[in-house]
Amino acid sequence: SQQGEEDPQALSIQEGENATMNCSYKTSINNLQWYRQNSGRGLVHLILIRSNEREKHSGRLRVTLDTSKKSSSLLITASRAADTASYFCATDLNSGNTPLVFGKGTRLSVIA
Amino acid sequence: ETGVTQSPTHLIKTRGQQVTLRCSSQSGHNTVSWYQQALGQGPQFIFQYYREEENGRGNFPPRFSGLQFPNYSSELNVNALELDDSALYLCASSHGLAGETPTDTQYFGPGTRLTVL
Repeated sequence: SQQGEEDPQALSIQEGENATMNCSYKTSINNLQWYRQNSGRGLVHLILIRSNEREKHSGRLRVTLDTSKKSSSLLITASRAADTASYFCATDLNSGNTPLVFGKGTRLSVIA
Repeated sequence: ETGVTQSPTHLIKTRGQQVTLRCSSQSGHNTVSWYQQALGQGPQFIFQYYREEENGRGNFPPRFSGLQFPNYSSELNVNALELDDSALYLCASSHGLAGETPTDTQYFGPGTRLTVL
């Protein structure tokens, strides 16, 4: 079963605009990670935020984590056509041997 | 480029057949995990191998099995293929065990798209 739920399912914006994607999860986590996937190919790791962190930046990416609300957001600033992809949040649970649990993803389309 | 490769890229099989998918991890990565991603869904964890031993399994039947070899290669075997097995199969490697603190980043291969007719 899916742990995380991304919102929205799909998002279409103009180049240069900011894109915000949200993720909610159900159980306590060790960390939360965001991945990007182009055209049903492999996943590329974007950023990891630990349960004791609230915000993290990497280039044009900003991730927040609110463990009280069990939610995270991914902000991509000044979007480019090349950012068009599916974005997934994945939680690493506290259960030791269980690796990443992914949501269903947000499909982002950036129109030039 | 993650340094993780998978073969073949695409595969078409018939219901009831058996299939072997292959993955080559980054050198030095002791952990490999396999995921199944159905169309329009997120990846679902199948199982994980650490130093050639199965070390965690998701909600998949025993006809899904795996092997990990000392040369950082691994296999996913699926017996008695069903139509619902059609999916993208992803392997991911990491240096340590997922769940350790700090958790290691998993590096994903490009995937094998399996179609079962």
